[in-house]
Amino acid sequence: EAQLVESGGGLVQPGGSLRLSCSASGSAFNFYEMDWVRQAPGKGLEWVAYAGGSYTRSVNGRFTISRDNATNSLYLQMSSLRADDTAVYYCVSHSLDIWGQGTLVTVSS
Amino acid sequence: DIQMTQSPSTLSASVGDRVTITCRASQMISTRLAWYQQKPGKAPKLLIYKASNLQSGVSSRFSGSGSGTEFTLTINSLQPDDSATYYCLNYNAYSFTFGGGTKVEIK
Repeated sequence: EAQLVESGGGLVQPGGSLRLSCSASGSAFNFYEMDWVRQAPGKGLEWVAYAGGSYTRSVNGRFTISRDNATNSLYLQMSSLRADDTAVYYCVSHSLDIWGQGTLVTVSS
Repeated sequence: DIQMTQSPSTLSASVGDRVTITCRASQMISTRLAWYQQKPGKAPKLLIYKASNLQSGVSSRFSGSGSGTEFTLTINSLQPDDSATYYCLNYNAYSFTFGGGTKVEIK
């Protein structure tokens, strides 16, 4: 069974940087067809980025999505982090059906 | 940008009831619409894709309909395990747009 596992979350100060990773197992993933979705505490779901290079407006210019098909990995490089970036970040297949368990990013001083 | 508006934001119903959640798109999206169920602390679970197609392994009590700008998710014979938040999602080749969510509570 295909599985996605995120890592790299944690506590970071405002203005800091963090890189999230998503690794895949159990199936061959096309990491060109992957997304990052986030969910702030107690809030709804928000699309963040698509591996083809599109971003939601609030992160454009601060976040960069990349992929390494050789290692079955997807990344989200986040910089200039703000308090409102605090959320659980999910790696998601663009086919809609496979989600990771999420990794929590907390931006706070 | 396309906006997805879900209603109601919360609903309370009894076991055995039929409940309907509506999602409205700000422009025509054909049938590029999915529905998810999310329970606290868990990743969302895909229920319906392409507006009306039931995801494999999902109970047939769930059904979706609509096209264009108006979509509905119907849960027949509501069960205690259906207590969750439900989201609609518009998808295209390069992005997603989620609705605000509907919290379903069991009376």
